[in-house]
Amino acid sequence: EDQVTQSPEALRLQEGESSSLNCSYTVSGLRGLFWYRQDPGKGPEFLFTLYSAGEEKEKERLKATLTKKESFLHITAPKPEDSATYLCAVQTNYGGATNKLIFGTGTLLAVQP
Amino acid sequence: DTGVSQDPRHKITKRGQNVTFRCDPISEHNRLYWYRQTLGQGPEFLTYFQNEAQLEKSRLLSDRFSAERPKGSFSTLEIQRTEQGDSAMYLCASSLLPGQPNTEAFFGQGTRLTVV
Repeated sequence: EDQVTQSPEALRLQEGESSSLNCSYTVSGLRGLFWYRQDPGKGPEFLFTLYSAGEEKEKERLKATLTKKESFLHITAPKPEDSATYLCAVQTNYGGATNKLIFGTGTLLAVQP
Repeated sequence: DTGVSQDPRHKITKRGQNVTFRCDPISEHNRLYWYRQTLGQGPEFLTYFQNEAQLEKSRLLSDRFSAERPKGSFSTLEIQRTEQGDSAMYLCASSLLPGQPNTEAFFGQGTRLTVV
């Protein structure tokens, strides 16, 4: 069964304290891995798509990387406005062309000033 | 704003009542998805449309749920005879077709349903 596991469930950082969030996945065939940010009471906001092992993408203080079994979201010198839930999701390349996303449960990040 | 739009943002209903939600996708997107998200969980896939055709439904979508996308534009999700277990955030997303660049899904702000 396709599965996405995120860790830690919650992370508290001081402003400027860099860290990484983990997303491990078990799928028979990966079409793509996606990172989203979700603020309380709002819909997920798209951040990155990664398609193949070794791929990296960056946006401001965020950098996403992908291996054959997991992805990391690195946060460099975070600011309080980076506080949110970060969701990881995968698309599989079998079962038709649904392109549906299979999500993990997210990591709740709190950055304190 | 050219993003995905959902209406209403919040809905409180009594158990047993019917509710309907609306989603307006990004105009050039052929695909439209419905997801459900409960507290502390990631979104779970419910169903999706390619233009006006509903191509897949999750086992989560009981007979009380029905979705439509007339003319391949906006979509509606109706829940009949609501139950307390239906309380959740209902999210709509849209994307381009596979094989095109940038096929990531963009989400709306969701409709928060509370069944009392």
